[in-house]
Amino acid sequence: KQEVTQIPAALSVPEGENLVLNCSFTDSAIYNLQWFRQDPGKGLTSLLLIQSSQREQTSGRLNASLDKSSGRSTLYIAASQPGDSATYLCADSNSNDYKLSFGAGTTVTVRA
Amino acid sequence: DTGVSQDPRHKITKRGQNVTFRCDPISEHNRLYWYRQTLGQGPEFLTYFQNEAQLEKSRLLSDRFSAERPKGSFSTLEIQRTEQGDSAMYLCASSSVFHEQFFGPGTRLTVL
Repeated sequence: KQEVTQIPAALSVPEGENLVLNCSFTDSAIYNLQWFRQDPGKGLTSLLLIQSSQREQTSGRLNASLDKSSGRSTLYIAASQPGDSATYLCADSNSNDYKLSFGAGTTVTVRA
Repeated sequence: DTGVSQDPRHKITKRGQNVTFRCDPISEHNRLYWYRQTLGQGPEFLTYFQNEAQLEKSRLLSDRFSAERPKGSFSTLEIQRTEQGDSAMYLCASSSVFHEQFFGPGTRLTVL
């Protein structure tokens, strides 16, 4: 069974600090890995998708890396802002059925 | 591209009642997924469709749950004889052949 772990469960930083969010996974046949943002009571917004053949993806202030050999992905958010406060979830999929296996998320608070 | 939509956004029901949720995927997406999310946890896979065919059902999906996707367009998820443990956010996602999943806003179910 695929397992995805996100540590820490919660993180609080002052505005302007860079954020580093960690995700580890056990699936050796990973197809891709997605990072999502979720605001309280809302659905999931896709931030970045990394294919298994890629090592990183970038979008604006966001950068995600993927290391299949160690089973880890990291989401970097540069120069954090209060509007970045949310829960960030990572999820991997395999090439058999492409369904996502999620971590429990890291809840981020950026203090003004 | 109007995104994934779900209806209703919120549903409050009494234990023992039946409820039905609807999901409209992004129009050209052939895959549709249902997930369930409880407070403080990541979403868990329930079932998915490729076009109109239901290809997999999780063990989480008891016989009180049924899902359909007639004609490969919108999908419905029905829960019969609801129980308090069914209270959760029900999320729908769709994907194309490239397998990046896009989520709807979710339906929050409260069973009293």
